[in-house]
Amino acid sequence: AQTVTQSQPEMSVQEAETVTLSCTYDTSESNYYLFWYKQPPSRQMILVIRQEAYKQQNATENRFSVNFQKAAKSFSLKISDSQLGDTAMYFCAFSGNTGKLIFGQGTTLQVKP
Amino acid sequence: NAGVMQNPRHLVRRRGQEARLRCSPMKGHSHVYWYRQLPEEGLKFMVYLQKENIIDESGMPKERFSAEFPKEGPSILRIQQVVRGDSAAYFCASSPDSGGEETQYFGPGTRLLVL
Repeated sequence: AQTVTQSQPEMSVQEAETVTLSCTYDTSESNYYLFWYKQPPSRQMILVIRQEAYKQQNATENRFSVNFQKAAKSFSLKISDSQLGDTAMYFCAFSGNTGKLIFGQGTTLQVKP
Repeated sequence: NAGVMQNPRHLVRRRGQEARLRCSPMKGHSHVYWYRQLPEEGLKFMVYLQKENIIDESGMPKERFSAEFPKEGPSILRIQQVVRGDSAAYFCASSPDSGGEETQYFGPGTRLLVL
């Protein structure tokens, strides 16, 4: 069975600085997809970034980028130039052949002014 | 293009009552997923449906819970005889096709409180 682990329950960062959120996963599948979702206080789930496992190039979306290490089964999220609006809970998620998402426990990120 | 719609946004029920949660997928999406988020936890998969078919209900409790996605109208998650442990946020997500490569887009969720 697939599992997703986020080992940092809480993190904080100063505005304009860079922060990295960690995620590891376990699977026996060779083709899969990884996601980071953001859940602000409104509790809406917002897609931040996605990565296809067959792609070696790390995905990037503006200030958000990932460090995908397939052999290590690691998928960390880097947020550059942190903004107050980035304050939220961040979930790492895995999707394999079945299509259903397996989520980690989440990391609460606080951006401080 | 409207996003995934869920209603009601908040629902209060007393123990033993029934709860009905509705989800309208994004236009053009025929695949619906339901997830549950207990307080201070991540989302847990419950059920995956296509129009008129349940594809995967491996995450759904065997009793009291059911889901449907009729040919016309929204997907419904139904919880019979609710208990306090059912209090949670229930999220619906939709995608245009099946498979892990399809990004799922989430609705705003329904917060169920059982008194």
